[in-house]
Amino acid sequence: QSVLTQPPSVSGAPGQRVTISCTGSSSNIGAGYDVHWYQQLPGTAPKLLIYDNTNRPSGVPDRFSDSKSGTSASLAITGLQAEDEADYYCQSYDSSLSGYVFGTGTKVTVL
Amino acid sequence: QVQLQESGPGLVKPSETLSLTCTVSGGSVSGGSYYWSWIRQPAGKGLEWIGYIYYSGSTNYNPSLKSRVTFSLDTSKNQFSLKLSSVTAADTAVYYCARVLRPQWYMDVWGKGTTVTVSS
Repeated sequence: QSVLTQPPSVSGAPGQRVTISCTGSSSNIGAGYDVHWYQQLPGTAPKLLIYDNTNRPSGVPDRFSDSKSGTSASLAITGLQAEDEADYYCQSYDSSLSGYVFGTGTKVTVL
Repeated sequence: QVQLQESGPGLVKPSETLSLTCTVSGGSVSGGSYYWSWIRQPAGKGLEWIGYIYYSGSTNYNPSLKSRVTFSLDTSKNQFSLKLSSVTAADTAVYYCARVLRPQWYMDVWGKGTTVTVSS
């Protein structure tokens, strides 16, 4: 059961900027726990995209960035490219579960 | 480079027990820096956390599955396993194993996933 809410879909033309919101609660994002982001290309396993709110694993372009405020976080993709078409998930720790939770997922479409 | 590989039956009958194993290569399940986790994803749906196990054997499960889930760890084989009992069609999904970095709680290494179908 997801307790982090994301928009089902966002879209943009190549080169544009899109953002994906991730809304949580006082037991996860609002409690100060880090938010992490994953990219899932069609038919593949999720891949870590951003961790600890601001860090990118080697190989992830700096077109991907995130921010966090209160009980929400956002992922921004600037200079949108066709290869960015994928599903994106946020994730955080939840103290009420003593475990982690995923967002509902957002499909990014490049027009 | 650490790699994870899921293995197990792709078809399980309703009411039976689903059993999967994740084999870790290039690293050790005995390290204290990580949790070892299972996540599932029904077709066309989002990711669901199943739970995690620590090298000490301590576990934590998603409350929605807790009554049916058991994890175990075999350090001699560098593997960890999932058992899910009394399965129904709702348990049909792609099952992923993943390494979770402590204490930041992010999954830095994932297996490729294995599809499990519950059907008679």
